Amino acid sequence: EVQLLESGGDLVQPGGSLRLSCAASGFTFSNYAMSWVRQAPGKGLEWVAGISDSGASKYYADSVKGRFSISRDNSKNTLSLQLDSLRAEDTAEYYCAKGVAPRAYHYYDMDVWGQGTTVTVSS
Amino acid sequence: QSALTQPPSVSGSPGQSVTISCTGTSSDVGGYDRVSWYQQTPGTAPKLMIYDVTNRPSGVPGRFSGSKSGNTASLTISGLQVEDEADYYCCSYTRTSTVVFGGGTKLTVL
Repeated sequence: EVQLLESGGDLVQPGGSLRLSCAASGFTFSNYAMSWVRQAPGKGLEWVAGISDSGASKYYADSVKGRFSISRDNSKNTLSLQLDSLRAEDTAEYYCAKGVAPRAYHYYDMDVWGQGTTVTVSS
Repeated sequence: QSALTQPPSVSGSPGQSVTISCTGTSSDVGGYDRVSWYQQTPGTAPKLMIYDVTNRPSGVPGRFSGSKSGNTASLTISGLQVEDEADYYCCSYTRTSTVVFGGGTKLTVL
């Protein structure tokens, strides 16, 4: 069964940092581009970042560029998101998601999602 | 990266058809055949319903179909069922290699 399991969400103060992880199983992780998507409480979906299958190419929403960093370890089937300089508006459920097809840059169509991990930024 | 424009809500009766629109620009929806649609029910992760404008993943009923004309994409649900009641989000690849979602549409099945 194809699965994604996020972890690392927590309550953090403004200006703080956090590292989210996503453990993948049930598919050849290194063949698929991946994304992080977030959803603030009661709000819609917002794409945060994407990464190619090899990890060589990374893409970010303007709202997080320079503060967040996406990475992957294909030997450990793990996707990560480093969150720095956190703001109250970063409070959200964070989902990792798998690209629908085994193509290097197909991070924009997401067919498998994790259950989410909650990040709360508050003093 | 402005969000794509969707109607906040649509409704229909069981058996009817409904269409949800998603309007962007030539830099996203109009420029690429890379529009997807997601269904989300409360407390759950989104589910991919349509990708690359018209493609349906395995397991998604044939009642769901997608199309695009110019800068506007559409999701049509035929033969509406009670279990289709959910929030629907469109999504598009953009000229800057980023991804943008619509604001979401709440579908009510009367």
